[in-house]
Amino acid sequence: DAGITQSPRHKVTETGTPVTLRCHQTENHRYMYWYRQDPGHGLRLIHYSYGVKDTDKGEVSDGYSVSRSKTEDFLLTLESATSSQTSVYFCAISEREGSTDTQYFGPGTRLTVL
Amino acid sequence: GESVGLHLPTLSVQEGDNSIINCAYSNSASDYFIWYKQESGKGPQFIIDIRSNMDKRQGQRVTVLLNKTVKHLSLQIAATQPGDSAVYFCAEIPNQAGTALIFGKGTTLSVSS
Repeated sequence: DAGITQSPRHKVTETGTPVTLRCHQTENHRYMYWYRQDPGHGLRLIHYSYGVKDTDKGEVSDGYSVSRSKTEDFLLTLESATSSQTSVYFCAISEREGSTDTQYFGPGTRLTVL
Repeated sequence: GESVGLHLPTLSVQEGDNSIINCAYSNSASDYFIWYKQESGKGPQFIIDIRSNMDKRQGQRVTVLLNKTVKHLSLQIAATQPGDSAVYFCAEIPNQAGTALIFGKGTTLSVSS
């Protein structure tokens, strides 16, 4: 998994609670991404980061926030979890931007919101 | 909207056969394409990539073909093995700053021995 870990790997939570997922990389790559994967939708980008404290929104960013205080860590926070946020979340990294580089994925976090 | 789609949701082959997985894309501005393999419970794994200035690229047992005229991408797997059973996604990246991967919905490849 290209030196990428995600924690927790599984989580069950209740509607309305905040949840934070962590992505940690050992590759020192500049770019990091959060995707969600749902049946019938494939993988969709939530947020991405192009450096420490530099982030931007993706296709499905509503209800999510991110932070990156160190190169190696990218946090995804669900401010108030809803059942529609039940999904599998993947972190990805790339050394360079967009069409110049491949993205490598972590093992995923399965989140269930009851 | 812009999307990457796959022609078939499932493909079943016998061990030893060659497999061809197809993908159509709609964004003519895309200049980088990647095939990923995803096994159950795991993250997408990079297989092979190709840039828009190429028509064909070969890896170990895999070949990717790009036809820009009809916006079609294919992944060929030679001598398919049971370990190749997985979901295969094509993904594209438009030539725009700050753009992430656009994924298709995937083709499930089942290999029987």
